[in-house]
Amino acid sequence: DGGITQSPKYLFRKEGQNVTLSCEQNLNHDAMYWYRQDPGQGLRLIYYSQIVNDFQKGDIAEGYSVSREKKESFPLTVTSAQKNPTAFYLCASRKQGAEKLFFGSGTQLSVL
Amino acid sequence: KQEVTQIPAALSVPEGENLVLNCSFTDSAIYNLQWFRQDPGKGLTSLLLIQSSQREQTSGRLNASLDKSSGRSTLYIAASQPGDSATYLCAVFLSAGNMLTFGGGTRLMVKP
Repeated sequence: DGGITQSPKYLFRKEGQNVTLSCEQNLNHDAMYWYRQDPGQGLRLIYYSQIVNDFQKGDIAEGYSVSREKKESFPLTVTSAQKNPTAFYLCASRKQGAEKLFFGSGTQLSVL
Repeated sequence: KQEVTQIPAALSVPEGENLVLNCSFTDSAIYNLQWFRQDPGKGLTSLLLIQSSQREQTSGRLNASLDKSSGRSTLYIAASQPGDSATYLCAVFLSAGNMLTFGGGTRLMVKP
């Protein structure tokens, strides 16, 4: 089955710790995105990547980092500089030239 | 900067009722508009996509309309069912750039 896989489903971060959220897709999509969703709110863009080895900051990139070494993978690291990391994180992908965005099932990050 | 607003934030209706969800956006230079459904703790599922040159799209009991000049879109759900209970989000894709801007969503509950 083709799709986007996010792991883990739940993640807990200790004070001062960096944590990495995984996003893998086997749809052969070119563009990948990371969004943050706070309770009762819409999605805000953290980072996006249109091709391998290239990525751009979204609206709320501070405290986060990404890499795009492979087309199918776009991991997100939540660094200790992100002081309010508790949120639901969603990864998405899109084939270049196509409009529809496909989403993973999300990772809920909480602070211990 | 594009801003997307959804009204109401929450809606509760009895089963069988026809209903309308509203979405407004500030920049009319959009490439397309998408409506998504999100179940609690899950990712987003694309429902309908309307190109900027289109006025409406239909899928089953769902009909989405787009009025670019007034910066508005509506999602019409006919004969609502308890299974329609979810959060509905609209998002606009700007002509320039490669990012979707999301509204805050409307949380719909359809009571049996």
